[in-house]
Amino acid sequence: AQKITQTQPGMFVQEKEAVTLDCTYDTSDPSYGLFWYKQPSSGEMIFLIYQGSYDQQNATEGRYSLNFQKARKSANLVISASQLGDSAMYFCAMREARMDSSYKLIFGSGTRLLVRP
Amino acid sequence: DGGITQSPKYLFRKEGQNVTLSCEQNLNHDAMYWYRQDPGQGLRLIYYSQIVNDFQKGDIAEGYSVSREKKESFPLTVTSAQKNPTAFYLCASSPPAGKLFFGSGTQLSVL
Repeated sequence: AQKITQTQPGMFVQEKEAVTLDCTYDTSDPSYGLFWYKQPSSGEMIFLIYQGSYDQQNATEGRYSLNFQKARKSANLVISASQLGDSAMYFCAMREARMDSSYKLIFGSGTRLLVRP
Repeated sequence: DGGITQSPKYLFRKEGQNVTLSCEQNLNHDAMYWYRQDPGQGLRLIYYSQIVNDFQKGDIAEGYSVSREKKESFPLTVTSAQKNPTAFYLCASSPPAGKLFFGSGTQLSVL
């Protein structure tokens, strides 16, 4: 069965520094997608970045990059130049391509990031 | 503006009562989802629907029911059979194999 693991319940980072949030996954499907979402205290889920299992290069979106190590089954999120507004919960999620054509996501337990001024 | 609207933002349920959470989207997405989030935890899938008039159970469907009579709407009913309904409920939609777009959520509490 597919599984997402985020081992860091909470992280601190100094403003303007970079931080890495860990995510490991388990799947037997060769075709899958990995997502990172941000959840501020208001509750909405904000999409940050996506990595497909066949993508040759690591995904980047502005200050966000995904360190994709397929052999290790890890998909860590790197946030560069942290800002106070980055303080939030961060969730890693995975989608498998299924025989029944459903593309539901499963989520990790999240990492709470606090950015210190 | 295109997006997903969940209502109400806060909802209270009495013992033995069924309550319905609304989810409407104008993104023209076929797929819609309901997730439950408990404090400090990740999201768990309750139900999902790939197309109108069809839906599938997720990982924690017991005590919940859904309908999908229109493409735009995917209401979730929390029945009296759900003994621990207090949680934050998130609705989402997606294009085929695309990212999920989420609503702003409904916080359900038991009186």
